[in-house]
Amino acid sequence: EVQLLESGGGLIQPGGSLRLSCAASGFTFSSYALNWVRQAPGKGLEWVSSISASGGNTYYADSVKGRFTISRDNSKNTLYLQMNSLRAEDTAVYFCAKFKGYKFGVDFDIWGQGTMVTVSS
Amino acid sequence: DIVMTQSPATLSVSPGERVTLSCRASQSVSSELAWYQQKPGQSPRLLIYGASTRATGIPARFSGSGSGTEFTLTISSLQSEDFAVYFCQHYNNWPPYTFGPGTKLEIK
Repeated sequence: EVQLLESGGGLIQPGGSLRLSCAASGFTFSSYALNWVRQAPGKGLEWVSSISASGGNTYYADSVKGRFTISRDNSKNTLYLQMNSLRAEDTAVYFCAKFKGYKFGVDFDIWGQGTMVTVSS
Repeated sequence: DIVMTQSPATLSVSPGERVTLSCRASQSVSSELAWYQQKPGQSPRLLIYGASTRATGIPARFSGSGSGTEFTLTISSLQSEDFAVYFCQHYNNWPPYTFGPGTKLEIK
């Protein structure tokens, strides 16, 4: 079964840092580009970042550019999101999501269950 | 950036009814559009991709149509498990991959 399992969320003060992880199983991790998508409480979905299968290409939403870094370790089948300079508006459930195909520019066919990040003093 | 809008924001319907949800893009996205279903406390589930192709395991009562800037998701006969929030998303001219604000289906 294809699965994505996020971890690393929690309560963090404004200005702090947090690293999220997403452990993958059931598919050839190193063949697929991946994403982070977030959802603020009671709100809609916001794409955050994407990374290519090799990790050589990354993309970010303007709202997180310069503060968040996406990365992956294909030897560990794990996706990461390093979040620095956190703000209250970063409070959300963070989902990792897999592209359906082997490239960018397709839909997201598998989603993790999400991990909650709360930025508050 | 492409802006996605959805209507209505909320729809109150009875089980067994046929419903149509709308999604509009601020510029053409060709057929590069997906629909997702999200139930409370769960992650989104892919329903439709390519504007009209059902994802694996999705019942035939779900259908998608449209291209360019206007899209619809139709549920032919609502089942109790279909009451959820539905989001559309484009994957044309990325990044970003923007989502619509969602349509919530409520039980009447």
